[in-house]
Amino acid sequence: AQKITQTQPGMFVQEKEAVTLDCTYDTSDQSYGLFWYKQPSSGEMIFLIYQGSYDEQNATEGRYSLNFQKARKSANLVISASQLGDSAMYFCAMSPFSTDYKLSFGAGTTVTVRA
Amino acid sequence: EPEVTQTPSHQVTQMGQEVILRCVPISNHLYFYWYRQILGQKVEFLVSFYNNEISEKSEIFDDQFSVERPDGSNFTLKIRSTKLEDSAMYFCATLGTMSNYGYTFGSGTRLTVV
Repeated sequence: AQKITQTQPGMFVQEKEAVTLDCTYDTSDQSYGLFWYKQPSSGEMIFLIYQGSYDEQNATEGRYSLNFQKARKSANLVISASQLGDSAMYFCAMSPFSTDYKLSFGAGTTVTVRA
Repeated sequence: EPEVTQTPSHQVTQMGQEVILRCVPISNHLYFYWYRQILGQKVEFLVSFYNNEISEKSEIFDDQFSVERPDGSNFTLKIRSTKLEDSAMYFCATLGTMSNYGYTFGSGTRLTVV
């Protein structure tokens, strides 16, 4: 079974600054994928970024980057140059590359960007 | 970009009534999932479906819940006798092949049981 831990229930960040959202995970699988999703107040789940467990380089997608430290089992999300539209709930998730590829989620972190 | 379509977007039902939530997956996707999110809380796995059968279900997915893909396109979640605590957002998600690794979520059905 997988366990994903997000220890920051809520964070405030000033517009144009960077913010790091923490995520640690626990799994016995050797191959897996790590994901971050954004959920604005409207409720939809928006895919942000993906990191495979065998990827040697950290993933980046525009202003999003994933700081992957496999030995520490951490997959922190960094949002650079925060914008007001970044205010949302952010979920870390993990899926093993086996069985049914079930995606398991952390508890989420609410980010509020201040002007 | 292909989408996962969920209907209805919002449903209000009386306690004890049956509800059916519908999802139209992306046509070439193979794995289908239902998730539940009670307002403001964690996204919880309910069930996964592959090759026309349930591959895994959580402890939440008790005898009141069922899933099926009756016509090869729609993927439905049925709650037989709704309880107040079933009020939540329900998301359908689908996964394509490994060459297109990525989950696509529907926009969700907000279920309110009164």
